[in-house]
Amino acid sequence: NAGVTQTPKFQVLKTGQSMTLQCAQDMNHEYMSWYRQDPGMGLRLIHYSVGAGITDQGEVPNGYNVSRSTTEDFPLRLLSAAPSQTSVYFCASRGVGQGSQPQHFGDGTRLSIL
Amino acid sequence: KQEVTQIPAALSVPEGENLVLNCSFTDSAIYNLQWFRQDPGKGLTSLLLIQSSQREQTSGRLNASLDKSSGRSTLYIAASQPGDSATYLCAVPNAGGTSYGKLTFGQGTILTVHP
Repeated sequence: NAGVTQTPKFQVLKTGQSMTLQCAQDMNHEYMSWYRQDPGMGLRLIHYSVGAGITDQGEVPNGYNVSRSTTEDFPLRLLSAAPSQTSVYFCASRGVGQGSQPQHFGDGTRLSIL
Repeated sequence: KQEVTQIPAALSVPEGENLVLNCSFTDSAIYNLQWFRQDPGKGLTSLLLIQSSQREQTSGRLNASLDKSSGRSTLYIAASQPGDSATYLCAVPNAGGTSYGKLTFGQGTILTVHP
């Protein structure tokens, strides 16, 4: 049981390039989400999904796109990378059930935009 | 909007001490509160989850309490060890009803336990 798997672990991009951060979970969780972690800002929600085919914006969605075609996968796309998107990105998943289900996190993708 | 505050921002203690980390939140209508540990350059590891109907949860040397009415939670670490050195984060579901797995995090407490 791998939990939440993120790839790649590290990536360096040039301004204007696009890329997709991959996230997969094998726990059959309905809820998935993407966060970014920046010094002094903490973890902030980018996008989230409540099931296949259903996504919505979080606190800082600009410059990012998501889709959820399967329960297992929730990729995050950077459309045109900007230096302000240099950050550590975490994917998370959680099962249905309001109070009793903990959030599981991947190991993160460390992204640098030059 | 839910806001989460953690005090202190950093803590340095000698090995063997008992310590308390604090977390406060502004909207008490939460379903649960979760404590995480993050090692440098690593992801988040879930330590404890306290449901809104519970007052505390224990796991080994860790004990977390929750007081919804006052908007506070504490993480108690007994007999601290150098291996406990990490950043500790608390998180609550976003305000406004069903959270769908959306969390609001505190800024974290950086704990250093020296031998």
